[in-house]
Amino acid sequence: NAGVTQTPKFRVLKTGQSMTLLCAQDMNHEYMYWYRQDPGMGLRLIHYSVGEGTTAKGEVPDGYNVSRLKKQNFLLGLESAAPSQTSVYFCASSRVGELFFGEGSRLTVL
Amino acid sequence: AQSVTQLDSQVPVFEEAPVELRCNYSSSVSVYLFWYVQYPNQGLQLLLKYLSGSTLVKGINGFEAEFNKSQTSFHLRKPSVHISDTAEYFCAVSPTGNQFYFGTGTSLTVIP
Repeated sequence: NAGVTQTPKFRVLKTGQSMTLLCAQDMNHEYMYWYRQDPGMGLRLIHYSVGEGTTAKGEVPDGYNVSRLKKQNFLLGLESAAPSQTSVYFCASSRVGELFFGEGSRLTVL
Repeated sequence: AQSVTQLDSQVPVFEEAPVELRCNYSSSVSVYLFWYVQYPNQGLQLLLKYLSGSTLVKGINGFEAEFNKSQTSFHLRKPSVHISDTAEYFCAVSPTGNQFYFGTGTSLTVIP
């Protein structure tokens, strides 16, 4: 089973460039999430979605946009990347009582 | 708002010794409780969870955790650690089952 798949796994950007991270899940989950992980700060929620066509802001949404056009996909966009967005990004989906994570996408902004 | 405190950012322990990783949370409502493990360069995977029932929860790889409502704690324990247990451990709480709040993590290093 694929579970939660993130692409790309690694990316290097220059300040001001844009990019999109793709998350796909094959478990028919309604809820999907984007987190960022930084040393000493744990996981912080960027945006989440409670179903197809819906999105909501999490703890640290500034500088990011998301879309959930299809139930199985959740896209995270950076319109104008900044060095502060250098991080490891994790996508997750959930059924009640459990989160399932992707393997992460490491983004470096120079 | 929920908050989760993992009191120890780093825990070194010798192989075959017992270990306890501490987690406290603040909540005025009932919550679900979780421990996730992250091995190097991997995503997080569920170690164990408390949804209801017995306060002692057993998970994978010999780990267990005890829910203490009066102390709002959910400490993780293992009686004898292995080298392969070296990883980052995250405590999380969820008041609804679909919103999750994470602690900052505890890095467990098992020393041969």
